[in-house]
Amino acid sequence: DTGVSQDPRHKITKRGQNVTFRCDPISEHNRLYWYRQTLGQGPEFLTYFQNEAQLEKSRLLSDRFSAERPKGSFSTLEIQRTEQGDSAMYLCASSLEAGGRTGELFFGEGSRLTVL
Amino acid sequence: DAKTTQPTSMDCAEGRAANLPCNHSTISGNEYVYWYRQIHSQGPQYIIHGLKNNETNEMASLIITEDRKSSTLILPHATLRDTAVYYCIVRVGSVLTGANSKLTFGKGITLSVRP
Repeated sequence: DTGVSQDPRHKITKRGQNVTFRCDPISEHNRLYWYRQTLGQGPEFLTYFQNEAQLEKSRLLSDRFSAERPKGSFSTLEIQRTEQGDSAMYLCASSLEAGGRTGELFFGEGSRLTVL
Repeated sequence: DAKTTQPTSMDCAEGRAANLPCNHSTISGNEYVYWYRQIHSQGPQYIIHGLKNNETNEMASLIITEDRKSSTLILPHATLRDTAVYYCIVRVGSVLTGANSKLTFGKGITLSVRP
């Protein structure tokens, strides 16, 4: 499968623990996005990367959240000191931007986080 | 701020056409209309997009009004597997290199296809 893959698909953790999610985008895609989705809501933008550069972070991304894309390929999203309000589906998407033209976003299946 | 408005839900019979409306009265000249759908417990899936002309692909047709203030997504022969939340999104089609071209989702419309 050459789509966007996310790992793990499900994570249950206790409040206060740290968790890390990984996203492997479509190989030739230079853009990578992270979104969060809670029950009954549409996905909310968190941050995006152009290659390895993190170009924008939403105000939703508190200082407990950090995202990296060290070599411009896969990305990780870490949440430190998790809170129950962090329980959500974390979605990763990738796209190809070339010559200023924006491509469609392709989403992974998501990583569902439950904080007890 | 949401740039599109959609009904909360609708249903249709299997095998019939599903027509999903969307209002985007403040759309700018360089913004495209995108449609994504999200089947339960899966990530959003791209369906179709257009600027001002009607578009058709293997999944759906997109009809955009002449003033571009509204559009309709048409699933010509709905099946049970088309039951999902459908998101109508406006998005710039080209940006300065590096500028954010993110998708901004609303709550979408829940389509239920009944047998």
